[in-house]
Amino acid sequence: DTEVTQTPKHLVMGMTNKKSLKCEQHMGHRAMYWYKQKAKKPPELMFVYSYEKLSINESVPSRFSPECPNSSLLNLHLHALQPEDSALYLCASSQIRSGSKSTDTQYFGPGTRLTVL
Amino acid sequence: AQTVTQSQPEMSVQEAETVTLSCTYDTSESDYYLFWYKQPPSRQMILVIRQEAYKQQNATENRFSVNFQKAAKSFSLKISDSQLGDAAMYFCAYMTGSARQLTFGSGTQLTVLP
Repeated sequence: DTEVTQTPKHLVMGMTNKKSLKCEQHMGHRAMYWYKQKAKKPPELMFVYSYEKLSINESVPSRFSPECPNSSLLNLHLHALQPEDSALYLCASSQIRSGSKSTDTQYFGPGTRLTVL
Repeated sequence: AQTVTQSQPEMSVQEAETVTLSCTYDTSESDYYLFWYKQPPSRQMILVIRQEAYKQQNATENRFSVNFQKAAKSFSLKISDSQLGDAAMYFCAYMTGSARQLTFGSGTQLTVLP
């Protein structure tokens, strides 16, 4: 089973709203990722969690706030977003190779299409 | 820094024919992994195939196979007996053995003509 689930599928929010994106996996993966993807472009890495700890933050604005409550769940809290933040937000997960910090193949969820008005 | 280049922004293939998508990469690492991901109009990113750099044998997955040329730093994807469902954006990606990040190419949009 290589399933990563994401909710909601679509989200429309105003610039003053607060909303959250949710990602879940039950593959026992200990690394989880958030990506942002604009149309016809490759995904851009935002955050990486390893063993439920934030290990990489790619200089993402503070209006995006990630959270990893447990090894299966990853949230992305959104506040005061701008129209240019409209994009597809992808979550992914992967194993961490035993005895190292490196990770294995990433499996992606279906994404959340976010529109900021 | 590692880079991944896909020089074909768009390609098309007739149904049931074979098509090859190109990918080159630049790295000084010896331990790394290469991937092809497919992203259909639904925009779910789906793993197509994976290749470990230390393996000389080219990876295959049913109708999908790669031509991995390590010295030339080339990693092309061959799709045989193309089907309408193969129409998608295809991304080549690279990851070092010690890293946690994927480096993606810019993508190739594949159209399958009936």
